[in-house]
Amino acid sequence: GAVVSQHPSWVICKSGTSVKIECRSLDFQATTMFWYRQFPKQSLMLMATSNEGSKATYEQGVEKDKFLINHASLTLSTLTVTSAHPEDSSFYICSARAELAGGFEQYFGPGTRLTVT
Amino acid sequence: ELKVEQNPLFLSMQEGKNYTIYCNYSTTSDRLYWYRQDPGKSLESLFVLLSNGAVKQEGRLMASLDTKARLSTLHITAAVHDLSATYFCAVDILGNTGKLIFGQGTTLQVKP
Repeated sequence: GAVVSQHPSWVICKSGTSVKIECRSLDFQATTMFWYRQFPKQSLMLMATSNEGSKATYEQGVEKDKFLINHASLTLSTLTVTSAHPEDSSFYICSARAELAGGFEQYFGPGTRLTVT
Repeated sequence: ELKVEQNPLFLSMQEGKNYTIYCNYSTTSDRLYWYRQDPGKSLESLFVLLSNGAVKQEGRLMASLDTKARLSTLHITAAVHDLSATYFCAVDILGNTGKLIFGQGTTLQVKP
């Protein structure tokens, strides 16, 4: 099956610094990728939709200047958490949408655990 | 606003027992997903239900979809410890956009 990777798998950073998380589709092209955030023992919350070659669209309540998304190619989307604070500590999961013969399928990455100290 | 609600949120059961997890959603959608998540891990796709009356089964898990009632069920038959995990249902906004709204998750604990 299709594989989506994320890097890093975990990261610890100091408050006020920025962190970049990469999401790659390894064996397919993804015109659309999605970024989700999951707090401990909670559900996944859609943050934004990342489209190759265009600006990301953000869900209500998500600060676009804080969570910068770049979809530079058909296999790579990046999420940069700028000026991170402890409340940004979370599990960030990306998914990539693949167009198959029978329609679309969506594949999730393994997630990146961010801890801001 | 689309809401997806699961019931129950926590389920503790003995091995060998049967149980059902319910997933209600508030607006029309004909694409519903079930995922499994183990602690510290990402999501594992279990089922995609695409039409009213759809039923899919894999091992001890069976999922169904009633689009008229806006209800999906995940039935567990003769539970085993390996099924212990958190199960999420998710609905695609506006049909097939790929933008998923997740339920709260149901944490299943199967006791030996």
